[in-house]
Amino acid sequence: EAQVTQNPRYLITVTGKKLTVTCSQNMNHEYMSWYRQDPGLGLRQIYYSMNVEVTDKGDVPEGYKVSRKEKRNFPLILESPSPNQTSLYFCASSRVWGEKLFFGSGTQLSVL
Amino acid sequence: GESVGLHLPTLSVQEGDNSIINCAYSNSASDYFIWYKQESGKGPQFIIDIRSNMDKRQGQRVTVLLNKTVKHLSLQIAATQPGDSAVYFCAEGSLKAAGNKLTFGGGTRVLVKP
Repeated sequence: EAQVTQNPRYLITVTGKKLTVTCSQNMNHEYMSWYRQDPGLGLRQIYYSMNVEVTDKGDVPEGYKVSRKEKRNFPLILESPSPNQTSLYFCASSRVWGEKLFFGSGTQLSVL
Repeated sequence: GESVGLHLPTLSVQEGDNSIINCAYSNSASDYFIWYKQESGKGPQFIIDIRSNMDKRQGQRVTVLLNKTVKHLSLQIAATQPGDSAVYFCAEGSLKAAGNKLTFGGGTRVLVKP
């Protein structure tokens, strides 16, 4: 089944403790992206990747890192999480930019 | 489940009626527009997209209309069903400009009454 898989589904952590949210797609998509969703602010793009080893900042990249060493994986790294990064995170992918974007099921992160 | 938006505009519609969801977009350079549906506890699900060289596109029970003059996008759902209850987002992007991202609207909650 074609899908975008994120892990974990829920995560509670403390300020400053590094964490990684994984994202994997099995559709051989070139384009991948991370969004955060907050009440009243909608979905905002954090980082995106046009292909392997090609990443760029979205609208809200501060406090986040990404890597794209393989086509299928696009992990989101929070080196030193802070409470304002408490949010619902979505990974998404498409065959190329400008085509149908498939979203994962989301990761609910709480930073205490 | 997660709260998508505490104060979203809400459209209540009777089952079987048609629904129209409206969206105003901001960037006149946008040339790619998409509608997504998000059910509680799930990720956004693609419904339909349209490019700026079109003003109407139809899918299964859905129609998207694009008015570039007033920067307005609408989604029409025919014969609304209980399974259509969700939050609907429009998104805009540019296929030509740098910064390959979608900018999402705030969303509209659709409640289907039996």
